Amino acid sequence: DMKVTQMPRYLIKRMGENVLLECGQDMSHETMYWYRQDPGLGLQLIYISYDVDSNSEGDIPKGYRVSRKKREHFSLILDSAKTNQTSVYFCASIPGQGGTQYFGPGTRLLVL
Amino acid sequence: AQSVTQPDARVTVSEGASLQLRCKYSYSGTPYLFWYVQYPRQGLQLLLKYYSGDPVVQGVNGFEAEFSKSNSSFHLRKASVHWSDSAVYFCVLSAGTNAYKVIFGKGTHLHVLP
Repeated sequence: DMKVTQMPRYLIKRMGENVLLECGQDMSHETMYWYRQDPGLGLQLIYISYDVDSNSEGDIPKGYRVSRKKREHFSLILDSAKTNQTSVYFCASIPGQGGTQYFGPGTRLLVL
Repeated sequence: AQSVTQPDARVTVSEGASLQLRCKYSYSGTPYLFWYVQYPRQGLQLLLKYYSGDPVVQGVNGFEAEFSKSNSSFHLRKASVHWSDSAVYFCVLSAGTNAYKVIFGKGTHLHVLP
């Protein structure tokens, strides 16, 4: 069963704290994504990872960094979280260029 | 520049009525086009996709979409909606030399009245 998982599903942090969002996939997909979703803005691309240790900035990378040490895991890190990073974060993976994206269930992050 | 426009932020229809959700794209080459659906508090799921060939593509749950190169459109249709179709629908473009980069429309929130 093809699956993308995200942990945690809900998270509350205070401004200035560090945040780690984790994503896993069991499909051996090379390419993975991190997006954030805000009302009225659709999905905005934060980072793309083409494979282990091969990452590229998306449209809104500022304030975020990523880590991919294993093909099946892709982490999003917020160093010193800000209140404007309150959002829903989605991870996705694709089997190949132009392919269908498989999305995780999302992580709801609230930064107070 | 590549872009996707979904001109209707919200659409309300009655159960049993037909549906069309509009999508216009901007891209000079041949696009890969997708429609995804997002139910409340869930991730996005693929409804259908177009790569080439027959411009009318069939998807899950009775949805279909028609690609028009002349109109730069990829409208989503359903003959008879059900209340469970209430969700947010996203039109997505994958294009260019780097087709790993995808462009999302802002979504259309569909509300089906029972």
